[in-house]
Amino acid sequence: GAGVSQSPSNKVTEKGKDVELRCDPISGHTALYWYRQSLGQGLEFLIYFQGNSAPDKSGLPSDRFSAERTGGSVSTLTIQRTQQEDSAVYLCASSRQGAIGNTIYFGEGSWLTVV
Amino acid sequence: SQQGEEDPQALSIQEGENATMNCSYKTSINNLQWYRQNSGRGLVHLILIRSNEREKHSGRLRVTLDTSKKSSSLLITASRAADTASYFCATDAIYAGGTSYGKLTFGQGTILTVHP
Repeated sequence: GAGVSQSPSNKVTEKGKDVELRCDPISGHTALYWYRQSLGQGLEFLIYFQGNSAPDKSGLPSDRFSAERTGGSVSTLTIQRTQQEDSAVYLCASSRQGAIGNTIYFGEGSWLTVV
Repeated sequence: SQQGEEDPQALSIQEGENATMNCSYKTSINNLQWYRQNSGRGLVHLILIRSNEREKHSGRLRVTLDTSKKSSSLLITASRAADTASYFCATDAIYAGGTSYGKLTFGQGTILTVHP
């Protein structure tokens, strides 16, 4: 596609429920990233995919967070048993190869509110 | 802690004036990228400057990079009300073996307000 596409744009969920956030990267981009932006924490790296594998998942805050990528394209970030502190904007990004000097493009984000 | 520190945290200017934002970082980098964010949503890529570059221009934007001081600046000339947004610098660090894979570390951002 023309840009990084994320869905849903907004999600309100009850504490304890599971949520899935979807990311469709720019066509041909092999590197995909998830970031989280919350008040007081700024923009935090969560996980990096190269193709379907995740060589760096060091930013996932707990084992309630997981992500997968299939077909080297679409990625899903899953948060299980959501907590109020999970409320944030979840941003997905992609780049051509994740290699040196490549521009990283971001989507519009998914705004998650846990009530 | 965040690698990038931005200065100032907030900047308020009149339309037509220039706006300068600064960014400092701590580790060796591959490149530094500047982004704009409107209303807390998606990040729009503005410009990428590589570690071996010192200055780069794109339209009304001018970015400088001083690797000896580990700092960068973003200058927006002849600002417009539409430039009102938050601006972030993000560094792509170099890891052991000289590798880099686009894992960005962001500063806290500068909130720019341009008054018509």
